[in-house]
Amino acid sequence: LAKTTQPISMDSYEGQEVNITCSHNNIATNDYITWYQQFPSQGPRFIIQGYKTKVTNEVASLFIPADRKSSTLSLPRVSLSDTAVYYCLVGGRNDYKLSFGAGTTVTVRA
Amino acid sequence: GAVVSQHPSWVICKSGTSVKIECRSLDFQATTMFWYRQFPKQSLMLMATSNEGSKATYEQGVEKDKFLINHASLTLSTLTVTSAHPEDSSFYICSARMSGGATDTQYFGPGTRLTVL
Repeated sequence: LAKTTQPISMDSYEGQEVNITCSHNNIATNDYITWYQQFPSQGPRFIIQGYKTKVTNEVASLFIPADRKSSTLSLPRVSLSDTAVYYCLVGGRNDYKLSFGAGTTVTVRA
Repeated sequence: GAVVSQHPSWVICKSGTSVKIECRSLDFQATTMFWYRQFPKQSLMLMATSNEGSKATYEQGVEKDKFLINHASLTLSTLTVTSAHPEDSSFYICSARMSGGATDTQYFGPGTRLTVL
């Protein structure tokens, strides 16, 4: 399983854009990158998944450079309800077990 | 789409009793489901991989005789904590794997809070 490294915590204010960068230097060719959001006492919620370049959905964007050794989750115009732990995970079809790191605790302030 | 449910959402039991937790994929079939455990202020730890119609695969350090997993259908996996003790108190979360086409994604249930007295 490719190991990921992300900041332990980030602070932001309502309306700002939050960018969380995750390093995954040992990512394999078949691996894709998935981000989850978790609130206290809830299961992780799928945010976005990508393999390369840029992926965008209704809640976030995921930027993946050509070497795929890192990725950046972008949350536009955050609100207080976006305060949560965000996990970056790497896995592929041949190795679909996910290994959760500590995640990034994002705190949004008014 | 991609909804996973768990039942019960919380349970309190006496030490020595057994507790069963159900995990269901509501709108897709999942040949593979996973069980995780999460202690307060810690990350999720994978306990076992549950494959439909076959024996579960347990992670190192997880007692297979204590945490019984059954994956009887493509939409249901159960985790039974046998002879529960206070140290088994934790937040148990399941996930179901949706694969097909270009994606392979795990969707998580809401979790079950187990408290053993």
